[in-house]
Amino acid sequence: DGGITQSPKYLFRKEGQNVTLSCEQNLNHDAMYWYRQDPGQGLRLIYYSQIVNDFQKGDIAEGYSVSREKKESFPLTVTSAQKNPTAFYLCASRDYSSNQPQHFGDGTRLSIL
Amino acid sequence: DQQVKQNSPSLSVQEGRISILNCDYTNSMFDYFLWYKKYPAEGPTFLISISSIKDKNEDGRFTVFLNKSAKHLSLHIVPSQPGDSAVYFCAASVLIQGAQKLVFGQGTRLTINP
Repeated sequence: DGGITQSPKYLFRKEGQNVTLSCEQNLNHDAMYWYRQDPGQGLRLIYYSQIVNDFQKGDIAEGYSVSREKKESFPLTVTSAQKNPTAFYLCASRDYSSNQPQHFGDGTRLSIL
Repeated sequence: DQQVKQNSPSLSVQEGRISILNCDYTNSMFDYFLWYKKYPAEGPTFLISISSIKDKNEDGRFTVFLNKSAKHLSLHIVPSQPGDSAVYFCAASVLIQGAQKLVFGQGTRLTINP
């Protein structure tokens, strides 16, 4: 069954540590995205990637980094430079050649202790 | 600068009645609009969309209306069912160098009462 897998579902880290969130898709989609959701707010775009080895900053990229070494994988690293990292993180993918909507994973809730 | 706004944080509707969720936007460059439904601790799921060249799109119980002159869109759900209780996000799409960028509203929590 095709889909997007985000792991883990819940993640706890100490302040000052970098942490990497996993996102894997088997939909053969070219484009992948990372969003952040805070309580009472909409999703805000962190980074996106249209093809392997290429990615672009979104609206709130500061304190985050990504890589796209494989088509199916788009990991997000939350660095210690991110001032307020506690949030719900969502990964999405899209097959832009077919004009389909973005398809989301079930998210990772990151809590900084 | 909030380019997409959902001014009602919550809405409560009786089962069987119509639910109307509203969304306003400011950027005339948006060419496509989408509604997503989200349950707690899950990712959003796509519900329905509309191109900027249309003013209405219908899919079963769900209809989206677009008023370009007012920069306003709405989602109608009729009849409303208990399973429709969720947070609904409006999103607007713009292409930037070939990449689709979605801008989301803050969401409206819909509660369907039996």
